[in-house]
Amino acid sequence: EVQMVESGGGLGQPGGSLRLSCVASGFTFNSYWMHWVRQAPGKGLVWVSRINSDGSSTNYADSVKGRFTLSRDNAKNTVYLQMNSLRAEDTALYYCARGEFIWNRQVLYRGMDVWGQGTTVTVSS
Amino acid sequence: EIVLTQSPATLSLSPGEGATLSCRASQSVDTYLAWYQQKPGQAPRLLIYDVSIRATGIPARFSGRGSGTDFTLTISSLEPEDFAVYYCQQRSNVGVTFGPGTKVDI
Repeated sequence: EVQMVESGGGLGQPGGSLRLSCVASGFTFNSYWMHWVRQAPGKGLVWVSRINSDGSSTNYADSVKGRFTLSRDNAKNTVYLQMNSLRAEDTALYYCARGEFIWNRQVLYRGMDVWGQGTTVTVSS
Repeated sequence: EIVLTQSPATLSLSPGEGATLSCRASQSVDTYLAWYQQKPGQAPRLLIYDVSIRATGIPARFSGRGSGTDFTLTISSLEPEDFAVYYCQQRSNVGVTFGPGTKVDI
């Protein structure tokens, strides 16, 4: 079964740090780019970051650039979102999602087709 | 950053009726336009990618069309399980953005 399981959420202090993890299974992890998407309570989906299949390239939303760092360990089928300098507005449910994939050395995109159930981050003193 | 605008914000319909949801991009997104459905307490579900291709297992009553900056998602005849929030999404070389969503309710 193809799935992702997020963990690491919880209560963080303003200015503090948290590290989220997403463990994937059931597919060839090192062939896929991975994304994080967040959703504040009662609000819409907001893209946070993505990482390419070998971890050599990342992109970030302006709202988290310079504060969050996305990395991956393909040997462990895991992506990590290091969240520093936390702000109240980072409070949200954080989803890990599967995105682009590598096929015959081409990057193909067929949407974010597999999502985890999310991990909740609350930033408050 | 490419901004996506969705309209209407809310669509009030009855089962059996058709629904047309709109998504407009601030600049061309080529064919990298996808649609997602989200129900309360659930993760989003991919419906459509590349403007018009249904994802695996998505019923034929869902269809997408459009080009450049203007896109639509059509649900031909609403089933009770279709009442949800729908998001469009684009991807580019620098990142991804989602629209604000359209809520389809009874």
